[in-house]
Amino acid sequence: AQSVTQLDSQVPVFEEAPVELRCNYSSSVSVYLFWYVQYPNQGLQLLLKYLSGSTLVKGINGFEAEFNKSQTSFHLRKPSVHISDTAEYFCAVNYGGSQGNLIFGKGTKLSVKP
Amino acid sequence: GAVVSQHPSRVICKSGTSVKIECRSLDFQATTMFWYRQFPKQSLMLMATSNEGSKATYEQGVEKDKFLINHASLTLSTLTVTSAHPEDSSFYICSASHLRGTGSYNEQFFGPGTRLTVL
Repeated sequence: AQSVTQLDSQVPVFEEAPVELRCNYSSSVSVYLFWYVQYPNQGLQLLLKYLSGSTLVKGINGFEAEFNKSQTSFHLRKPSVHISDTAEYFCAVNYGGSQGNLIFGKGTKLSVKP
Repeated sequence: GAVVSQHPSRVICKSGTSVKIECRSLDFQATTMFWYRQFPKQSLMLMATSNEGSKATYEQGVEKDKFLINHASLTLSTLTVTSAHPEDSSFYICSASHLRGTGSYNEQFFGPGTRLTVL
């Protein structure tokens, strides 16, 4: 079955520290990968996406992610977080559905402390 | 570009009433729209997929008679929660995509969500 696993439900971190949010997906021939951020009572904002090409993808707000096909992972990283990065982060995968159907992970709550 | 709006952003209704939520693509034609539901502190669950001019495809376990979806134009889809009950209280999010052709990924653009509270 197609699935997306975000291993950490909560990640507390101090301001200016690096952070990695983990995402693994069930294996498939071809996938499109996404990271979204959600602030309280708001919709989803796209952070970055991998469709093809370079496996290292850079997104908005200083985030980046690396597509690792052998490990079926797409971990999100930021070298130095800010208080304003506190939010819920969702990894999502399209397994090739023609209409772009996305399967979401359960989300990781990133809490940045001063 | 690729802005999606939802209206209303927040609605409170009495049990037994019906509520309509609108999803609009403001600057592109959305050949496909998706409706998601998100319970507190949980992920998004796809409810249904709708293509303009045709009936929506509902996910398993979603009652099509309770959650009526209409996608009458390339810029508007509506979700009507009929005879709402407190257990229908949730955050409803729509997304829209534009068909880009064979071999291309049809990226979804998300609306800001609608918070439904049924008393």
